[in-house]
Amino acid sequence: EVQLVQSGAEVKKPGESLRISCQGSGYDFTTYWITWVRQMPGKGLEWMGRIDSTDSYTNYSPSFQGHVTISIDKSITTAYLQWSSLKASDTAMYYCATLTRGSYGSDYWGQGTLVTVSS
Amino acid sequence: QSAPTQPASVSGSPGQSITISCTGTYRDVGGYKYVSWYQQHPGKAPKLMIYDVSNRPSGVSNRFSGSKSGNTASLSISGLQADDEADYYCSSFTSSSTLVVFGVGTKLTVL
Repeated sequence: EVQLVQSGAEVKKPGESLRISCQGSGYDFTTYWITWVRQMPGKGLEWMGRIDSTDSYTNYSPSFQGHVTISIDKSITTAYLQWSSLKASDTAMYYCATLTRGSYGSDYWGQGTLVTVSS
Repeated sequence: QSAPTQPASVSGSPGQSITISCTGTYRDVGGYKYVSWYQQHPGKAPKLMIYDVSNRPSGVSNRFSGSKSGNTASLSISGLQADDEADYYCSSFTSSSTLVVFGVGTKLTVL
């Protein structure tokens, strides 16, 4: 069974750094890309970027480029989303998901990680 | 990159059929067959319902179907059930730098 398990909820202050994780299991980790999706409170889904689990190549939405970094550690089948300096506006639920090559659909999703940034 | 537009809300009675539209441009919805649809219940992760415009993943009811004409993709749900009440999002590959774009989302209410 394909599973993506995300790290737990985080409460941070503005300016702090953060890395959240997404561990895949039940499949060949290089089969799918991994994508991250933001959902601000009461709002819609926003595509943030993706990483190729084979060669770590990344694409970012211009809305998130330069503010977040997506990375991967194939040895532990885990993808990461990190911030070097959080803002209050980063408060949101963050989902990781698989992204199918050549289809761009996401079959499998993590349970979500709630990030709260508040002074 | 603007998000494809969707109606803010649609509604229908149990047993009826509804259609949700997703209107983009030639750079995304209109230009490629890579349109997906997701269902999201409150407090839950999204679930893939349709991929590649009209294909259903294994386990998704055949009451859900997808199509596309020009720059507009559509998700149709027949035989509405109470559990279909949720938010629905389209997504598409885009030739812009962002790679993938989500629609703004539609809230489906089953009356």
